[in-house]
Amino acid sequence: GAVVSQHPSWVICKSGTSVKIECRSLDFQATTMFWYRQFPKQSLMLMATSNEGSKATYEQGVEKDKFLINHASLTLSTLTVTSAHPEDSSFYICSATGTSGTDTQYFGPGTRLTVL
Amino acid sequence: AQRVTQPEKLLSVFKGAPVELKCNYSYSGSPELFWYVQYSRQRLQLLLRHISRESIKGFTADLNKGETSFHLKKPFAQEEDSAMYYCALSSSNTGKLIFGQGTTLQVKP
Repeated sequence: GAVVSQHPSWVICKSGTSVKIECRSLDFQATTMFWYRQFPKQSLMLMATSNEGSKATYEQGVEKDKFLINHASLTLSTLTVTSAHPEDSSFYICSATGTSGTDTQYFGPGTRLTVL
Repeated sequence: AQRVTQPEKLLSVFKGAPVELKCNYSYSGSPELFWYVQYSRQRLQLLLRHISRESIKGFTADLNKGETSFHLKKPFAQEEDSAMYYCALSSSNTGKLIFGQGTTLQVKP
């Protein structure tokens, strides 16, 4: 149980285009989802917290207009990287928690974004 | 400020040797601490949390509030323990996780 999937697992796009990454909780309802960014050989940095039906809360220094987050249902959150540039190339990971935001976080496998 | 520090980037031991992965934290309230593990080409997964006080795969970790530490220990390392280990701290009211930099554990045969 408690499986989180991400789609796509990797994506390559041209500079200036937008990319959407999906995060799904497959066998539980996720009231809260978190989006992280991980650079090579570095730790996970929290980008934003997403609660179903409400606006995402972004961490300091994360551009909300650049990284659009939508949590439309209890099983799906999406991260859209708008007008992507090479510096946005990274590994994006989502996690989800159950009925309470303080429950254990279950992580997705991550999405590798490469912007040319 | 809330912070998690893992001082070792790489820890290399021989199979059967004891292992201790260090983790220190800085937090003003009552922290909830976790160890996550990431095996090669796999997703991050929870190894253990301090409130459970359990042993998973032979690993244990004790919260020491005086030393603000949550070191991960295993008496006899196995080759399959080779992975990246992250110590993380959770804010009790938001559920946000703050991760340390991670330590790569390499267990040699």
